[in-house]
Amino acid sequence: DQQVKQNSPSLSVQEGRISILNCDYTNSMFDYFLWYKKYPAEGPTFLISISSIKDKNEDGRFTVFLNKSAKHLSLHIVPSQPGDSAVYFCAASQMIYNQGGKLIFGQGTELSVKP
Amino acid sequence: EAGVTQSPTHLIKTRGQQATLRCSPISGHTSVYWYQQALGLGLQFLLWYDEGEERNRGNFPPRFSGRQFPNYSSELNVNALELEDSALYLCASSWNSPLHFGNGTRLTVT
Repeated sequence: DQQVKQNSPSLSVQEGRISILNCDYTNSMFDYFLWYKKYPAEGPTFLISISSIKDKNEDGRFTVFLNKSAKHLSLHIVPSQPGDSAVYFCAASQMIYNQGGKLIFGQGTELSVKP
Repeated sequence: EAGVTQSPTHLIKTRGQQATLRCSPISGHTSVYWYQQALGLGLQFLLWYDEGEERNRGNFPPRFSGRQFPNYSSELNVNALELEDSALYLCASSWNSPLHFGNGTRLTVT
């Protein structure tokens, strides 16, 4: 049962343009969502998060949008840079019931930004 | 500040053997999480330790076990290794923060 899904395994974007990475979830109890970036031979690094009480969170070139009714979130990167080329994972958690930071991850989307 | 460190970086074992993977969290972090990333799959939650206690485990058989020591470092043990246990094992730590991951241990079972 894949509770968090990233349906696009890969995405290719031109430098300077917008990258949009999508993520869907099925568990309506999730109330905290995160995006991680992973380079080869490294662990994932935290990028940006959003709580279910918000529908948008922005940090520099990165913006995460949350549509609770559609159970969908997206990560926008504007403008995209070649250094953004990496695998992006979305993750979700349920902070109640002492779940702590247990995260459910999607399968990842490999972003390639071409100069 | 030192990040999460994992050892060894690579581990090769044969089927039926046992593997032990180690993790040192960021200083001040009391929670340690273990995740498995098999080829082509996302990160699958394995175990969560906090203050020395196992708080939660994912959908993995009992031959996956671990512990957390008084200094908050952690060990993951995989008994009776199977070929499908070949994966990248990631450790993460946190304290009231998003998870910070180490670079992982690549386990290969032959």
